Amino acid sequence: DTGVSQDPRHKITKRGQNVTFRCDPISEHNRLYWYRQTLGQGPEFLTYFQNEAQLEKSRLLSDRFSAERPKGSFSTLEIQRTEQGDSAMYLCASSLGRTGEATGELFFGEGSRLTVL
Amino acid sequence: AQSVTQLGSHVSVSEGALVLLRCNYSSSVPPYLFWYVQYPNQGLQLLLKYTSAATLVKGINGFEAEFKKSETSFHLTKPSAHMSDAAEYFCAVSEGNSGGYQKVTFGTGTKLQVIP
Repeated sequence: DTGVSQDPRHKITKRGQNVTFRCDPISEHNRLYWYRQTLGQGPEFLTYFQNEAQLEKSRLLSDRFSAERPKGSFSTLEIQRTEQGDSAMYLCASSLGRTGEATGELFFGEGSRLTVL
Repeated sequence: AQSVTQLGSHVSVSEGALVLLRCNYSSSVPPYLFWYVQYPNQGLQLLLKYTSAATLVKGINGFEAEFKKSETSFHLTKPSAHMSDAAEYFCAVSEGNSGGYQKVTFGTGTKLQVIP
């Protein structure tokens, strides 16, 4: 097991284009998180999956953003009609936890850096 | 709602000096607290965590943190800084929610510079 992997690591796109990021979590992990990190800020929560179910979405996640986790394995985060304000590092994390458990370690990928021109 | 505040976005210490990174939390329930470290161009990795057992928690690379409920603090310390400690450090608070999962909220981070 090589940990959480994210692809691509870097993406440069023009305003208005669509982009998709992929996250492969640690194989036995049932929880998957997406965070966004901008310069000088800590990771901000975007969305959470328990297995294949998307259980929470932040209000930061506008209707241009969509995330999926088919079959409870890898996840994708798609941004439609990108805007310059979408430029950020998109972090994926996974963990293993039972319902109600809140003490687990999050394992992060190295992130996907998006630059919107 | 839970939150953490990290005092000082940048901290500089001399090699061999004490490292002290400050974190205060706000939580409506007994919190679980974490410190993560991020090296350039890498993901975050766990340094240590407090889960209501011992109030003094030891982590990797010689770091430790003390949970002080009366001060709502969870400051990170290391007796002697090493050049390899230069990184960004994030304090985080975790609590369960009505959905039954773990919600983790991060602070804004503190960049540690170690001066030779």
